[in-house]
Amino acid sequence: DAGVTQSPTHLIKTRGQHVTLRCSPISGHKSVSWYQQVLGQGPQFIFQYYEKEERGRGNFPDRFSARQFPNYSSELNVNALLLGDSALYLCASSLMTASSGNTIYFGEGSWLTVV
Amino acid sequence: RKEVEQDPGPFNVPEGATVAFNCTYSNSASQSFFWYRQDCRKEPKLLMSVYSSGNEDGRFTAQLNRASQYISLLIRDSKLSDSATYLCVVPITGGGNKLTFGTGTQLKVEL
Repeated sequence: DAGVTQSPTHLIKTRGQHVTLRCSPISGHKSVSWYQQVLGQGPQFIFQYYEKEERGRGNFPDRFSARQFPNYSSELNVNALLLGDSALYLCASSLMTASSGNTIYFGEGSWLTVV
Repeated sequence: RKEVEQDPGPFNVPEGATVAFNCTYSNSASQSFFWYRQDCRKEPKLLMSVYSSGNEDGRFTAQLNRASQYISLLIRDSKLSDSATYLCVVPITGGGNKLTFGTGTQLKVEL
């Protein structure tokens, strides 16, 4: 069975450009969330989507946006890239928005370098 | 106080040693806690879940102290393959897969 898949795995962008990162959750999982992990730090929550609706947003500027499609895949978009956006972007999927006992699976991430 | 706080390490220990990591959290209402393991340039993977006072899985033991708001992870008989960063994780109120991660504690097990 395929796990959480993300694309692209690595990319380099220039300041001011826009980037779109993609995520396909595990089959049957309806909840997708996005995290940013800067080198030397733990992942930071950006967005959560469930059944195509935004269910949570972390402390990130409006340059960050996301959406979830009918097949539960998701896109993270970042506009007007800054050097500080260089990070590993992780997508996580889970079955539903239940609390404890809801195992969360991460994809391998997309490494973004902004130059 | 940070939402989740960990000693970043690194902890350098010899093979076979016992090592313990502590993590403190600020939200006293938190009910569940997790330890994730992250290898260099890889995604985090769930190591253990903690819902009551503690959990044990082979060489790994997680303990929860709600009064003091800290969680610990004990690794016995360390192996070279245990070298990784260990992330303390607390769900954000509201459930789902919204998590708050600590900065991680780096462990290096040496011969």
